[in-house]
Amino acid sequence: GQQVMQIPQYQHVQEGEDFTTYCNSSTTLSNIQWYKQRPGGHPVFLIQLVKSGEVKKQKRLTFQFGEAKKNSSLHITATQTTDVGTYFCAGRRTQGGSEKLVFGKGTKLTVNP
Amino acid sequence: DTAVSQTPKYLVTQMGNDKSIKCEQNLGHDTMYWYKQDSKKFLKIMFSYNNKELIINETVPNRFSPKSPDKAHLNLHINSLELGDSAVYFCASSQGAGDNQPQHFGDGTRLSIL
Repeated sequence: GQQVMQIPQYQHVQEGEDFTTYCNSSTTLSNIQWYKQRPGGHPVFLIQLVKSGEVKKQKRLTFQFGEAKKNSSLHITATQTTDVGTYFCAGRRTQGGSEKLVFGKGTKLTVNP
Repeated sequence: DTAVSQTPKYLVTQMGNDKSIKCEQNLGHDTMYWYKQDSKKFLKIMFSYNNKELIINETVPNRFSPKSPDKAHLNLHINSLELGDSAVYFCASSQGAGDNQPQHFGDGTRLSIL
């Protein structure tokens, strides 16, 4: 079953407002990746977090990895219409002797201009 | 010079038919994947191949059979298509199966079963 929970499922904001999506795993992750999928497009890699408590920034986007390496967040400051899309977290975990990337269900962001 | 290319982009077919989707990557990666994305946008891994060898095989009906003739290609054949197979199928590749490498996705194949 689903082992990487992502909330909220949908988020609608006014342009200029902030946005945050959260990702939680039931087990410790080796690392976590974030992807963005524009409407009608394919997932595109944004960033990877590996270390406990790691924080990375990409312009208006801030990514955090929890101390226990079980949760992560993506925060967008002052959203723009170009931020529209579905944001997926993907946690890498070892299962059955192999490493697997497990995707969250995604948070669909819409931005009202 | 598309990195991960899938064909066809759209596939509309009748229930019960057999169809194939092809995927090729020119990134020199050694691991390739097939994902299924349903109408709710949930991305679920189906298969993963590393250097032509199957390393991940999720609980997928055996009507789905992947084939990797070489590490740059991973094709997906589906027998006896069912209504529930309607989805977008994404091929992806990465450098290394267990390494901390990002996955590069193709544009997807939108499969519709009539």
